[in-house]
Amino acid sequence: EPEVTQTPSHQVTQMGQEVILRCVPISNHLYFYWYRQILGQKVEFLVSFYNNEISEKSEIFDDQFSVERPDGSNFTLKIRSTKLEDSAMYFCASSAGPGVGTDTQYFGPGTRLTVL
Amino acid sequence: AQKVTQAQTEISVVEKEDVTLDCVYETRDTTYYLFWYKQPPSGELVFLIRRNSFDEQNEISGRYSWNFQKSTSSFNFTITASQVVDSAVYFCALSEAGGRRALTFGSGTRLQVQP
Repeated sequence: EPEVTQTPSHQVTQMGQEVILRCVPISNHLYFYWYRQILGQKVEFLVSFYNNEISEKSEIFDDQFSVERPDGSNFTLKIRSTKLEDSAMYFCASSAGPGVGTDTQYFGPGTRLTVL
Repeated sequence: AQKVTQAQTEISVVEKEDVTLDCVYETRDTTYYLFWYKQPPSGELVFLIRRNSFDEQNEISGRYSWNFQKSTSSFNFTITASQVVDSAVYFCALSEAGGRRALTFGSGTRLQVQP
């Protein structure tokens, strides 16, 4: 069964450093998403991406964040200058399309980001 | 603005008991979608079910069943004859139609099934 994959599973970085989190969505999916979950809290939407551009973003997704689909398979989240409060689990998700039954979002296993 | 409330923070049951996880939502849209996801101790988010706002038919899948009631804005999830493997955090989520697909999650209910 196709699945979303994410690398690395755990990333440790120093405050102020840049990190890139990588995701490979399900191959025939068109919509891509990033969410984050601070330890013990709810899952929060960051950004959605379709047709090579951001279609929606939350207030969390400020100028330090950016997303990119550098090739036909990868979808990345870059955090330019990490802060302590960026420590969280970051989930990538993808969905097939906007139609009924095809917009279910399937999540990857997550990347745990620890900022020291 | 949309909101999802899962009032039960943690539930503990003994194996083989039935358990219901509550979910109450708020939205101004007339067309929306409701979801349940499971987050086992390993941390991934596993899709369980999707429901459209225009389909109030309840659904059963094995030991799992879902009760969707628009009149009370609730989408409750029942596990029959719970098992230890059901131990996880369960999230209810909502997305609205009209091109906005961001999921709004509830705060989750941690279910512990004791042997």
